[in-house]
Amino acid sequence: AQKVTQAQTEISVVEKEDVTLDCVYETRDTTYYLFWYKQPPSGELVFLIRRNSFDEQNEISGRYSWNFQKSTSSFNFTITASQVVDSAVYFCALSEATGRRALTFGSGTRLQVQP
Amino acid sequence: SAVISQKPSRDICQRGTSLTIQCQVDSQVTMMFWYRQQPGQSLTLIATANQGSEATYESGFVIDKFPISRPNLTFSTLTVSNMSPEDSSIYLCSVSAGAKYNEQFFGPGTRLTVL
Repeated sequence: AQKVTQAQTEISVVEKEDVTLDCVYETRDTTYYLFWYKQPPSGELVFLIRRNSFDEQNEISGRYSWNFQKSTSSFNFTITASQVVDSAVYFCALSEATGRRALTFGSGTRLQVQP
Repeated sequence: SAVISQKPSRDICQRGTSLTIQCQVDSQVTMMFWYRQQPGQSLTLIATANQGSEATYESGFVIDKFPISRPNLTFSTLTVSNMSPEDSSIYLCSVSAGAKYNEQFFGPGTRLTVL
């Protein structure tokens, strides 16, 4: 069975601080996909990134960066120079690479960025 | 990419009644899913909507409570039957698309409140 753990329930930072959201996963599959989604107060799910299990290169997109470490089954997400608009709930998710490809979500981390 | 719409966007219903939620995709997709997000919680997969056959339900979800239809490759409905206040949640439709079906798109969700 697949499992995603986001141990941080809520994080509060002051604007311009860097913040890292942790994600640890469990799967028996050798090939899988990892995702991060943002859910702002409006409720919609905003796709941030998808990472194939074979690709362990870290990725940077603007102020966002992701650190994928297969050895520790972690897929952490860092926001550099946080802004108030980053305030949201962030979900890490896992899917199999074949078959149904339904997502298994972590419990989410609520990020509050104070001005 | 796939653009997903859901109807209704929100509803307030009385205990004991049923509500049908519609999900429309702008392109043909193989995999469609229904998720539930209870207040302050993560997303939980209800079922996979299969075109031309019965939906595949996850543990804890049954067809009598959440009947699902999938008449074609662009449309699905989820009915929440005999509602109770515990059914108050956001219900989200999702599809797997892309060249290898590893892109996950979500609809805007249906916010249901049961009184």
